[in-house]
Amino acid sequence: NAGVTQTPKFRILKIGQSMTLQCAQDMNHNYMYWYRQDPGMGLKLIYYSVGAGITDKGEVPNGYNVSRSTTEDFPLRLELAAPSQTSVYFCASRPERGEQYFGPGTRLTVT
Amino acid sequence: GQQVMQIPQYQHVQEGEDFTTYCNSSTTLSNIQWYKQRPGGHPVFLIQLVKSGEVKKQKRLTFQFGEAKKNSSLHITATQTTDVGTYFCAKARDNQGGKLIFGQGTELSVKP
Repeated sequence: NAGVTQTPKFRILKIGQSMTLQCAQDMNHNYMYWYRQDPGMGLKLIYYSVGAGITDKGEVPNGYNVSRSTTEDFPLRLELAAPSQTSVYFCASRPERGEQYFGPGTRLTVT
Repeated sequence: GQQVMQIPQYQHVQEGEDFTTYCNSSTTLSNIQWYKQRPGGHPVFLIQLVKSGEVKKQKRLTFQFGEAKKNSSLHITATQTTDVGTYFCAKARDNQGGKLIFGQGTELSVKP
């Protein structure tokens, strides 16, 4: 199993541009999550999904959108990128019970 | 509120010294999870505690859950350079899709 994969690894965006961060998992997990991590800080939940077709907001959803059309994929969309969205983004998935498995992260800079 | 407070924010130790990080909540926790993140890496699950007063060990790591289920600690005995990283506690909201509320983490550096 590849586990949780994320693309791209790094990206630089100009203010106002849009992009989609990709996340996929091959463990057949229903639960998936998007977090952001700012330097020296913990992780903040952006959005999560309990299954295909179901998504919900986390602590910091403003400026982001998600979709979950399949069990495997959970893309995160940034519209009109702002410098405040400079961060490291982690996707995670979880089986019915137990721990979360994190992807390697996407390092995003908005200038 | 929902916050989980973690202290200290940073800890610098000499190799061989012990290390402890503490996690506190103002509300009773149903469970607490601990994760480790190596520099430049992603969080990796270490353990979950569920029962009041629970103590679990993983080699040199000892995890405790308080009797009132409002605090938890991670203690590392005789630190090694491989212990370097940031240790996070997190509470899982099982009735909200299992989402995690993370503490801000304790960054451990170990001087050889």
